[in-house]
Amino acid sequence: GENVEQHPSTLSVQEGDSAVIKCTYSDSASNYFPWYKQELGKRPQLIIDIRSNVGEKKDQRIAVTLNKTAKHFSLHITETQPEDSAVYFCAASSYSSASKIIFGSGTRLSIRP
Amino acid sequence: GAVVSQHPSRVICKSGTSVKIECRSLDFQATTMFWYRQFPKKSLMLMATSNEGSKATYEQGVEKDKFLINHASLTLSTLTVTSAHPEDSSFYICSATGPSGETQYFGPGTRLLVL
Repeated sequence: GENVEQHPSTLSVQEGDSAVIKCTYSDSASNYFPWYKQELGKRPQLIIDIRSNVGEKKDQRIAVTLNKTAKHFSLHITETQPEDSAVYFCAASSYSSASKIIFGSGTRLSIRP
Repeated sequence: GAVVSQHPSRVICKSGTSVKIECRSLDFQATTMFWYRQFPKKSLMLMATSNEGSKATYEQGVEKDKFLINHASLTLSTLTVTSAHPEDSSFYICSATGPSGETQYFGPGTRLLVL
């Protein structure tokens, strides 16, 4: 089955700087890669997703890149703000697995004022 | 759109009792719903995939007789933790596949504490 690894587990950046979170996946059949943000005690919120037919997607300060050959994908947050502090999860999914999502282990992002 | 609700948000029960958690898609029909368990400061662990009108598919290591899942309609799935024990205490979150059949929308979660 699919295995998703995520690094780093914790990340602290100065407000205004960029943050990068990296993930790898094992199943070459995976074709959908969502990223979720979870605040303490709350539900995961989808912040951006990318499908395997594109290499990059951007939405304001958030961008995601995908390298299918290397089975890598990354989340980039620019001009970080205090409200970006949360736990971020990458995930991978495929139609062949009935769309079930396998999550990475999470990255706790802290923005220093 | 794509709102998922979950009830109750918090429940405390005695060891040996059963607890039912409901997951509803409020503004869309969810052919597939998923149940996750999350321990403090850990990732979401998929427990089972629930399809309307059919038996749930459980992930390896998840006891189907312990965690009963029913998906009776396109907007409702229930998880019943039977004969709960303290080690069942956790944050249980459901999700539903939206109209795209791909993106999952999560419920707010249920925090279960078994005494």
